[in-house]
Amino acid sequence: QKEVEQDPGPLSVPEGAIVSLNCTYSNSAFQYFMWYRQYSRKGPELLMYTYSSGNKEDGRFTAQVDKSSKYISLFIRDSQPSDSATYLCAMSLLSSNTGKLIFGQGTTLQVKP
Amino acid sequence: EPEVTQTPSHQVTQMGQEVILRCVPISNHLYFYWYRQILGQKVEFLVSFYNNEISEKSEIFDDQFSVERPDGSNFTLKIRSTKLEDSAMYFCASTSTGTDTQYFGPGTRLTVL
Repeated sequence: QKEVEQDPGPLSVPEGAIVSLNCTYSNSAFQYFMWYRQYSRKGPELLMYTYSSGNKEDGRFTAQVDKSSKYISLFIRDSQPSDSATYLCAMSLLSSNTGKLIFGQGTTLQVKP
Repeated sequence: EPEVTQTPSHQVTQMGQEVILRCVPISNHLYFYWYRQILGQKVEFLVSFYNNEISEKSEIFDDQFSVERPDGSNFTLKIRSTKLEDSAMYFCASTSTGTDTQYFGPGTRLTVL
């Protein structure tokens, strides 16, 4: 079983739609959860950072962590064509003082005008 | 806004040659990382570096790889004898603590011929 699983998509939605992106993971020791956005041939750009369970909102973005189900989500409201990118989930262990990140495969999102 | 920078943006080399990829992390950060992303695959951790030594490395980071912080600003990744399978995007990242968010550079695309 892969440590972090993410449907690669592609996911295509019309402008204004609500987008739901998800990752599942197998290691219950993960405590830090991140979502990065990556445009083609660019570096990952941090969108959201969450510690442990719960929700976090930032503008049109909401991150949810359900540790009991080992499941994290990113919701994008009122999606825009500029949101078209690959979205990577990443996580790390509480016990890791090196902060090594384990990434999902990434989901490619296309928002059509 | 401070950012991680990387040079060169694209490096083409012949198999068996040595390459050095350079990174300038964010100035007050203390933890430094290298990740790589083979085309179409997930971002993979290579190595973390703290207090002038490697704190963790992956199984990918074998004897052909080395890292160095030669001065107060640069962080380098050296591949001694490149292989075809080393072709990938290499990302440098930095953070202020081992559990804080990591900020990624734009990457160096390495092509081994």
